[in-house]
Amino acid sequence: DQQVKQNSPSLSVQEGRISILNCDYTNSMFDYFLWYKKYPAEGPTFLISISSIKDKNEDGRFTVFLNKSAKHLSLHIVPSQPGDSAVYFCAASELGGNEKLTFGTGTRLTIIP
Amino acid sequence: GAGVSQSPRYKVAKRGQDVALRCDPISGHVSLFWYQQALGQGPEFLTYFQNEAQLDKSGLPSDRFFAERPEGSVSTLKIQRTQQEDSAVYLCASSLRGDTEAFFGQGTRLTVV
Repeated sequence: DQQVKQNSPSLSVQEGRISILNCDYTNSMFDYFLWYKKYPAEGPTFLISISSIKDKNEDGRFTVFLNKSAKHLSLHIVPSQPGDSAVYFCAASELGGNEKLTFGTGTRLTIIP
Repeated sequence: GAGVSQSPRYKVAKRGQDVALRCDPISGHVSLFWYQQALGQGPEFLTYFQNEAQLDKSGLPSDRFFAERPEGSVSTLKIQRTQQEDSAVYLCASSLRGDTEAFFGQGTRLTVV
């Protein structure tokens, strides 16, 4: 069963606008959530994370929101830039860190110039 | 470079052949992880080391898969009697400790023919 779900396989956004990537999870034991970005032929790169004790974490153009009651998190990128075009993976952990991450299937974001 | 290095980048194996995939983590990183990423899927956890100790191997799909990290630095993932379903990208990641950011290598793409 897929414990971390990214239901949108792809998303296209105009440059300068906001990109919103969504992620849902089913395991209530998850307490740490991360977003990774992946370019072709490269490994995933850590982007931003959030602990379950928070509902928002911001880092520059990237903000992650966590709604624990809905078991939902989202990544907002604003303003979107062409270099943001990549596959974005949502991941979760039960152990408060990076041990045994459970990943979603990814969303391919394309920024249209 | 100072990143996680994996070799080979690409490996084609005949069904039934044994393969060994190598991971050189970032120097000084205590934690090391292996993930398997099938086409169109997110990475799936295989195993986790802290120094030379294999703390979690619950994700290894069968007893044909074996991982080691004998001196607490370089790790090898060995797959015996490869099957077509083993075809995937094998990702290695390391982190300073389990609760810090994990850095991924570029992966080894294994194709079993």
